[in-house]
Amino acid sequence: KAGVTQTPRYLIKTRGQQVTLSCSPISGHRSVSWYQQTPGQGLQFLFEYFSETQRNKGNFPGRFSGRQFSNSRSEMNVSTLELGDSALYLCASSPHPTANTEAFFGQGTRLTVV
Amino acid sequence: GENVEQHPSTLSVQEGDSAVIKCTYSDSASNYFPWYKQELGKRPQLIIDIRSNVGEKKDQRIAVTLNKTAKHFSLHITETQPEDSAVYFCAAKGNNNDMRFGAGTRLTVKP
Repeated sequence: KAGVTQTPRYLIKTRGQQVTLSCSPISGHRSVSWYQQTPGQGLQFLFEYFSETQRNKGNFPGRFSGRQFSNSRSEMNVSTLELGDSALYLCASSPHPTANTEAFFGQGTRLTVV
Repeated sequence: GENVEQHPSTLSVQEGDSAVIKCTYSDSASNYFPWYKQELGKRPQLIIDIRSNVGEKKDQRIAVTLNKTAKHFSLHITETQPEDSAVYFCAAKGNNNDMRFGAGTRLTVKP
């Protein structure tokens, strides 16, 4: 069974540009969550998707958005990039939002904004 | 939403000693508390979890305790080994079913 796959693994963008990151969950998993990881800040919750609907959203500006497709794959988009957006972006999948079971993480996308 | 605080941020122990990491959470409706280990350059991976209907769970050298009244839970690692060195994250699944993480603890086990 393939794990959670995130693409691309690395990105370098310029301030003001926009970026789209992709996450393919484990087959059969329908819930996808996104996190931003920066040194000292841990894993900051961005949003969670289930059945193509955003169920929860963290405290991030509107420049951060996402969506989920009918095959449960998810994308997140960051517009008007700022230097502070440089981070590791992780997605995690689980079977269902209410399932109290392990969330499986992807390898992450390392975004560098210059 | 749920708010999780984790302490300490860094922890250094001698090989063979025990390590304890503590977390508190804010949402009294939270009912699932996993712990993840993240080695350098790798993805976070679950090492143990506990649900709110139990107070303690043990898996070999790792144990987690949960105090629902006080809204805190702890990770205990006994007989630490150099390969235990990593960043550890606690998490809580709140009323909205979203998983919130603590800021992480960098554990260093000195040989």
